[in-house]
Amino acid sequence: DTAVSQTPKYLVTQMGNDKSIKCEQNLGHDTMYWYKQDSKKFLKIMFSYNNKELIINETVPNRFSPKSPDKAHLNLHINSLELGDSAVYFCASSWTGLNTEAFFGQGTRLTVV
Amino acid sequence: GNSVTQMEGPVTLSEEAFLTINCTYTATGYPSLFWYVQYPGEGLQLLLKATKADDKGSNKGFEATYRKETTSFHLEKGSVQVSDSAVYFCALIRNTGNQFYFGTGTSLTVIP
Repeated sequence: DTAVSQTPKYLVTQMGNDKSIKCEQNLGHDTMYWYKQDSKKFLKIMFSYNNKELIINETVPNRFSPKSPDKAHLNLHINSLELGDSAVYFCASSWTGLNTEAFFGQGTRLTVV
Repeated sequence: GNSVTQMEGPVTLSEEAFLTINCTYTATGYPSLFWYVQYPGEGLQLLLKATKADDKGSNKGFEATYRKETTSFHLEKGSVQVSDSAVYFCALIRNTGNQFYFGTGTSLTVIP
């Protein structure tokens, strides 16, 4: 049973389209995250939600909008996709606190053409 | 601020060689420290962690010791295998506990 699952695994789409990536965790964690990994493997935090409330919103274009319908889900919607949005997007979850670890999904490889 | 600096790769080693990947951190308070591993085409997996100074995390032959005096958490393995080829990330979580800070990742390739 997958702990953090995100769909789809691959997403190829044209510039200007709107797309969503879904994430679900079955670990009962209270915090969920979205990370973007570029071609050099650099991981950048995009958003963090704690108990459905946004707590971290790094400098990302406002074309990116996270939505957390409940504690177990954190979806990422992207409007007006651009070539530079091509990357691997990872969802993760954890408990709040020091004695914790982040569990990652398998990633969604987004290619904008 | 909070940040993690790890040695740049890529690193290429022969099988059974000794591995060290350096990691230093800057943090307010007393963070927990982690090493994550990412195999090709997969998400990140926790490799080991340490939650306080002088703790040693270990897993699958890998070790790292939390050194507060040098603000370091270097990853070591005595004898690497081809199956260890992956990207390794050093990370910390600060004591407010809501954000992980990752290093830039170090790619390791082990050749037979």
